Amino acid sequence: DSGVTQTPKHLITATGQRVTLRCSPRSGDLSVYWYQQSLDQGLQFLIQYYNGEERAKGNILERFSAQQFPDLHSELNLSSLELGDSALYFCASSIEVPDTQYFGPGTRLTVL
Amino acid sequence: SQQGEEDPQALSIQEGENATMNCSYKTSINNLQWYRQNSGRGLVHLILIRSNEREKHSGRLRVTLDTSKKSSSLLITASRAADTASYFCATDGEAAGNKLTFGGGTRVLVKP
Repeated sequence: DSGVTQTPKHLITATGQRVTLRCSPRSGDLSVYWYQQSLDQGLQFLIQYYNGEERAKGNILERFSAQQFPDLHSELNLSSLELGDSALYFCASSIEVPDTQYFGPGTRLTVL
Repeated sequence: SQQGEEDPQALSIQEGENATMNCSYKTSINNLQWYRQNSGRGLVHLILIRSNEREKHSGRLRVTLDTSKKSSSLLITASRAADTASYFCATDGEAAGNKLTFGGGTRVLVKP
């Protein structure tokens, strides 16, 4: 158990819908990262927050957004969902940037 | 684009044999890390090697780093069926804005 929690574990939704994925980092970790993992694209870095502020952006679509709240938990919002958004979404946290990252168990998103 | 590229993409060995996988990267780094991922689960940190280190050990794991060749290797000795997983290298450096950039991974199958 890494200490990073993600909810929900599985999510099935339809195209065009909007979903919110939630992540709670390890106690004391200020930095949160979001990744998307699909079979054809591998592990793709989406976005990073550090103590509430956006620190780095990767291959994140404009339909996706994220935020980190004062209690340090983070949410990833995915809207206007497409079939190709079906993937595993991981959250990771670390104390410093860059540093060893601790990954959550992931949310499996299926868009039908 | 991915900074690290693992080689081979897949590896099949018998229990008790050693498994070696390599990671090559393109730009100078501060640190290189190896992670393991069991099917559909979150990544687990294995070992971190800094750019001024050449070799590091952790249990049955041995990591080498050759910054002149921009490459690293991960050796798993006396492999076990439980070592069956995908292994990813991840690098951080100024060129990537100090983000952690993951390679495509090596899928290792250890047959009992």
